[in-house]
Amino acid sequence: AQSVTQLGSHVSVSEGALVLLRCNYSSSVPPYLFWYVQYPNQGLQLLLKYTTGATLVKGINGFEAEFKKSETSFHLTKPSAHMSDAAEYFCAVSGAGDTNAGKSTFGDGTTLTVKP
Amino acid sequence: KAGVTQTPRYLIKTRGQQVTLSCSPISGHRSVSWYQQTPGQGLQFLFEYFSETQRNKGNFPGRFSGRQFSNSRSEMNVSTLELGDSALYLCASSLDGTGRETQYFGPGTRLLVL
Repeated sequence: AQSVTQLGSHVSVSEGALVLLRCNYSSSVPPYLFWYVQYPNQGLQLLLKYTTGATLVKGINGFEAEFKKSETSFHLTKPSAHMSDAAEYFCAVSGAGDTNAGKSTFGDGTTLTVKP
Repeated sequence: KAGVTQTPRYLIKTRGQQVTLSCSPISGHRSVSWYQQTPGQGLQFLFEYFSETQRNKGNFPGRFSGRQFSNSRSEMNVSTLELGDSALYLCASSLDGTGRETQYFGPGTRLLVL
């Protein structure tokens, strides 16, 4: 079974400040990890993903995340927040095997507010 | 390439009715997954189809069903609608649904049940 915990349902930062959104996962198989962003009344857009290889993953819009197996974490960071980053962010885990076919398990989401 | 499209975008139904939602995946993608998103339960997996076969299913009642056509387009049906079925229904496509492949999401269909 797989699960994702996102710490903090709401995060507020000032424009130009560091963004840190936390995600911890649980998986019985090697995990594939994803961060998505959702703007109001829209679907989910992929920011970045980890499958194998380098544990520091760079994504779009200046976001990056580091896979830490020992801590079962995949936290999302951005050095300098922009007003346009205000949205809801979801961490997701998927895995190999028939029981995981086509299925991603999502965290509850973190709403990011950026103050001017 | 065109993205994932979902129709209709908005839908209002009354309790007891049924509804059919449609999803057209990205060209070449053979896996289509459906998710329900609500404020209370978040994003929950409904089911996944690959090559016209349901390979995986979430924990939803039998009122929720789906199918996939030979061109990979998919439909989901909800019968005997309940108030709690009000949600954003998201469709996602990927090449093969193996988990490591990125799922690309459509804009969703917002269903309101009155």
